[in-house]
Amino acid sequence: AQSVTQLDSQVPVFEEAPVELRCNYSSSVSVYLFWYVQYPNQGLQLLLKYLSGSTLVKGINGFEAEFNKSQTSFHLRKPSVHISDTAEYFCAVSEGGATNKLIFGTGTLLAVQP
Amino acid sequence: DTAVSQTPKYLVTQMGNDKSIKCEQNLGHDTMYWYKQDSKKFLKIMFSYNNKELIINETVPNRFSPKSPDKAHLNLHINSLELGDSAVYFCASSQGGDYGYTFGSGTRLTVV
Repeated sequence: AQSVTQLDSQVPVFEEAPVELRCNYSSSVSVYLFWYVQYPNQGLQLLLKYLSGSTLVKGINGFEAEFNKSQTSFHLRKPSVHISDTAEYFCAVSEGGATNKLIFGTGTLLAVQP
Repeated sequence: DTAVSQTPKYLVTQMGNDKSIKCEQNLGHDTMYWYKQDSKKFLKIMFSYNNKELIINETVPNRFSPKSPDKAHLNLHINSLELGDSAVYFCASSQGGDYGYTFGSGTRLTVV
């Protein structure tokens, strides 16, 4: 069965600094990988996804993530964060197929400080 | 037009009551889902329907019953509400694995 681990429950960072949010997954088959963002009191919005091909994927709001199959990781990065990036970030994995079930990590709160 | 809309946005009710949450999507997706987000923000899948057919039914108390009258609608009915049912419930839809999900804005259920 697939699973997702987000080791950091909270990442504090100063505005304009770079940030990396870590995600590791476990699956016995090929997977699709996603990062979602949840702003306070809102639903989840897709940031980016990895399906196949180039291991570096770019998403919205200046975020990017790199798929590393040997390390089973899909870390999210941004070179310079803004106050408005403060939100909960969720890594998720799907094995596709008939059910396309999306399994989420426990989330990482990115807290950007001025 | 909202892609995935849920009603109500907030729901406060007493223990033992029965309540429903409605979800509608206008994206033409075949598959819809219900997720529960607990107080620690953990998201857990509950149910999924593909074109009105139940395809995912996780370990959820049978007080929870999903209903899909057509592929654009997926409702969640909860009987005999308990304090532990308090959470944010999200509806989502998808057109396949490589598209990800589109989520609604959530329904915050508070049982008192």
